[in-house]
Amino acid sequence: KQEVTQIPAALSVPEGENLVLNCSFTDSAIYNLQWFRQDPGKGLTSLLLIQSSQREQTSGRLNASLDKSSGRSTLYIAASQPGDSATYLCAVNSGNTPLVFGKGTRLSVIA
Amino acid sequence: EAQVTQNPRYLITVTGKKLTVTCSQNMNHEYMSWYRQDPGLGLRQIYYSMNVEVTDKGDVPEGYKVSRKEKRNFPLILESPSPNQTSLYFCASSWDRTNTGELFFGEGSRLTVL
Repeated sequence: KQEVTQIPAALSVPEGENLVLNCSFTDSAIYNLQWFRQDPGKGLTSLLLIQSSQREQTSGRLNASLDKSSGRSTLYIAASQPGDSATYLCAVNSGNTPLVFGKGTRLSVIA
Repeated sequence: EAQVTQNPRYLITVTGKKLTVTCSQNMNHEYMSWYRQDPGLGLRQIYYSMNVEVTDKGDVPEGYKVSRKEKRNFPLILESPSPNQTSLYFCASSWDRTNTGELFFGEGSRLTVL
């Protein structure tokens, strides 16, 4: 059964720093991996979707990479801002089975 | 604007009183799904639907029902709510039949069962 782990569970950084969030999964037979952002009490907003055939995706200051063989994905945030403070979740799609979510990394960017 | 709309956003009810949480999407998506989010447990799928009249159980379906009579709507029904169903519920949809597309989430419905 697919398991998804996100490390660290919480992270606090000063404004302007570059940072990396990690997501690992146990079964490499995946269709895609998606990164989400969740603000407190709010829904999930999709940030980046990486298909299994892709190595990375970029959107603005965000870059997500995927290494399927090692079961890892990273979300890189450049020049962090206080508005980036949120919980970041990754979700792995293995096909016609429920998406498996990590428990998230809670990010605080201090001004 | 493309969106997934859930109602109600907040609800307090009592044990045993049937309730329905509605979900509607305006993107003509085939795939729709319900999740619950609990502290320490993360997001868990309740039910999903690949298309109209096609529904299937997720990881935690006990105590819930769904229906998919129209493509845009996917209501979640709690026939006899219990306190352990107190949670934050999310509806989500995707255009792709095999769920390989991007998943869009509603704003969430916070349910408290007394």
